[in-house]
Amino acid sequence: LAKTTQPISMDSYEGQEVNITCSHNNIATNDYITWYQQFPSQGPRFIIQGYKTKVTNEVASLFIPADRKSSTLSLPRVSLSDTAVYYCLVGIDRGSTLGRLYFGRGTQLTVWP
Amino acid sequence: DAGVTQSPTHLIKTRGQQVTLRCSPKSGHDTVSWYQQALGQGPQFIFQYYEEEERQRGNFPDRFSGHQFPNYSSELNVNALLLGDSALYLCASRPRSGTPETQYFGPGTRLLVL
Repeated sequence: LAKTTQPISMDSYEGQEVNITCSHNNIATNDYITWYQQFPSQGPRFIIQGYKTKVTNEVASLFIPADRKSSTLSLPRVSLSDTAVYYCLVGIDRGSTLGRLYFGRGTQLTVWP
Repeated sequence: DAGVTQSPTHLIKTRGQQVTLRCSPKSGHDTVSWYQQALGQGPQFIFQYYEEEERQRGNFPDRFSGHQFPNYSSELNVNALLLGDSALYLCASRPRSGTPETQYFGPGTRLLVL
């Protein structure tokens, strides 16, 4: 399983764009890159997933360079409600197709007014 | 459409006691996983159920056991509670046919062991 490294914390102000980078040097050819968001006292919520290049949805964008050894989650114009922990996940346990997610400690994003 | 629901929301137990936590998966989902999340840490996989059988297990002792019912709901049982079992217990579900990385989590049960 690819080990991921991401900053422990980040701070931003409302209205700014936030980019959270995750390193995954040992990513396997068939691994997808998935990001989850977790608010206090809630379960994680899937926000975006990609394999290569760029993926965009209504919540965020995910940028993946050609070598796929890192990825960047981009949150446009953040608001106070974007304060949360963001997890970068790469790969699943190939011993089962049912999906076992491996979470690191994530990045605590704090948005200030 | 209700998402993943869990009960109870909070629970206080003492060391040595036993606890049962419950989870109802999102409608249409048949695969349920349980995770333990200690304060300041990411969720850690406990086990996974499909077709009423435990299909995969993380690095947790036998004190942690579970069950899945025909309606896909699930229970997590923890025996002989230790102080270190204090955590947020999360249930996640997904359809068998869905992508493994996309799972839906419930709000969790906060367990405090005194």
